[in-house]
Amino acid sequence: GESVGLHLPTLSVQEGDNSIINCAYSNSASDYFIWYKQESGKGPQFIIDIRSNMDKRQGQRVTVLLNKTVKHLSLQIAATQPGDSAVYFCAESEDQKLVFGQGTRLTINP
Amino acid sequence: GAVVSQHPSRVICKSGTSVKIECRSLDFQATTMFWYRQFPKQSLMLMATSNEGSKATYEQGVEKDKFLINHASLTLSTLTVTSAHPEDSSFYICSAQAGGPSSEQYFGPGTRLTVT
Repeated sequence: GESVGLHLPTLSVQEGDNSIINCAYSNSASDYFIWYKQESGKGPQFIIDIRSNMDKRQGQRVTVLLNKTVKHLSLQIAATQPGDSAVYFCAESEDQKLVFGQGTRLTINP
Repeated sequence: GAVVSQHPSRVICKSGTSVKIECRSLDFQATTMFWYRQFPKQSLMLMATSNEGSKATYEQGVEKDKFLINHASLTLSTLTVTSAHPEDSSFYICSAQAGGPSSEQYFGPGTRLTVT
């Protein structure tokens, strides 16, 4: 079946810098995407979502970009803080179910 | 709002025994609940979709007789791992959905199962 994947399994950034986490998807029919944050030993936490009729959506310190031409999704986190350290997953809504990507571990260096 | 709880948060059981995990939507009614499994350093994999009052729909490769799902009310779904084996040790996460198929899923905190 089609899947959602990530380019980078780990990402390390300095505190205060911006970070970008990428995700590639293969189902061109997908119309809804979500980014989740998962801290160790906890369930996923919703960060931001975007529908296919948009190419950008902003939240508090986070921005999601969607490029349907190349089937690419990214999450930008501005001014990273120690609390941003976690694993980030993109997910694609497919047939009323969520298909999760592999995940990227984001580490914030002091 | 939209809080989902799971109980227990951690459980250790012996091989061959069964263990039940509860998933509750605390402040909303969940027409649909989902069960996921997550092995260490891996992503979440959907196991089954559960609609209140009907049989669960299992994903390919998930044994319905081993992972029994009951969704008897709009606020409670249970997952029973029967005859557990060490390879069933995993992080089990549920989510609950209040609205239609495209509405947001609210995730529980997960249950860490260790089978010895």
